[in-house]
Amino acid sequence: EDQVTQSPEALRLQEGESSSLNCSYTVSGLRGLFWYRQDPGKGPEFLFTLYSAGEEKEKERLKATLTKKESFLHITAPKPEDSATYLCAADGSGNTGKLIFGQGTTLQVKP
Amino acid sequence: DVKVTQSSRYLVKRTGEKVFLECVQDMDHENMFWYRQDPGLGLRLIYFSYDVKMKEKGDIPEGYSVSREKKERFSLILESASTNQTSMYLCASSGGGRQEKLFFGSGTQLSVL
Repeated sequence: EDQVTQSPEALRLQEGESSSLNCSYTVSGLRGLFWYRQDPGKGPEFLFTLYSAGEEKEKERLKATLTKKESFLHITAPKPEDSATYLCAADGSGNTGKLIFGQGTTLQVKP
Repeated sequence: DVKVTQSSRYLVKRTGEKVFLECVQDMDHENMFWYRQDPGLGLRLIYFSYDVKMKEKGDIPEGYSVSREKKERFSLILESASTNQTSMYLCASSGGGRQEKLFFGSGTQLSVL
C-alpha cells in the first residue's frame, strides 16, 4: 500500500537554528513529490515539486531534496515567520493523479 | 491572483441534516478535489473530478456525494450529517492532465452536533 510518513510530528527551533524535516514514502512509480506549507486556519500553500532522485529546489531559507526513498526539507537559519505545518505529498503512477499526503510536521521557531 | 473560494469558514449543523459545502475556483482548472483534514490523520481525499459532470471516489467517500455541473464549481454534499463528519474540509483545484500544484481554499470547519 502506498504510504507517506513525515517526521518529526512537531519541531521547536530557536531563531537561526537550522534543521531538517523528513518525508519517507513508499509509492509505486513516483511521478512527483510535493511540499506544502499550511498556516493555522488556512489551506495548504504550494512550495515545491520534485520529480527525480537527486533533484533539489530552493526558496529563501527552504531547500527540498529527494532520494529514492525520502525527501528532506532543510530550513536554514529559520525565522519566527517560518512557523507553520509543512506537508509532503506523493503522486504515484498507481494513483490516477491522486496525491497521498503525510500527516505533517508542525514547526515552531522561537525568537 | 488565483483563487479557490469556499462558501463558509465555519458551519454548525445538527445530526441528520443535509449539508452542502460549496467551492468555486477562478482559474479555469479542469481538476477539483475535496479533502478532509483531521488531527493525526492528515489530509484524506473524499472525491475528485477531472471534468464537468465527472466524479471519482477518493479514499473515504462513504457518507458523501459531490456535484460538478459547471467547471468552476464543485460541491460536497453530506446526505445525512453525523458527528464523525465533524472536520476541516478543504477544496482544491489544479490544471492540466497531470495533477500538480494544488491550489487550496481556506477551508470550512464543520461541526456536527
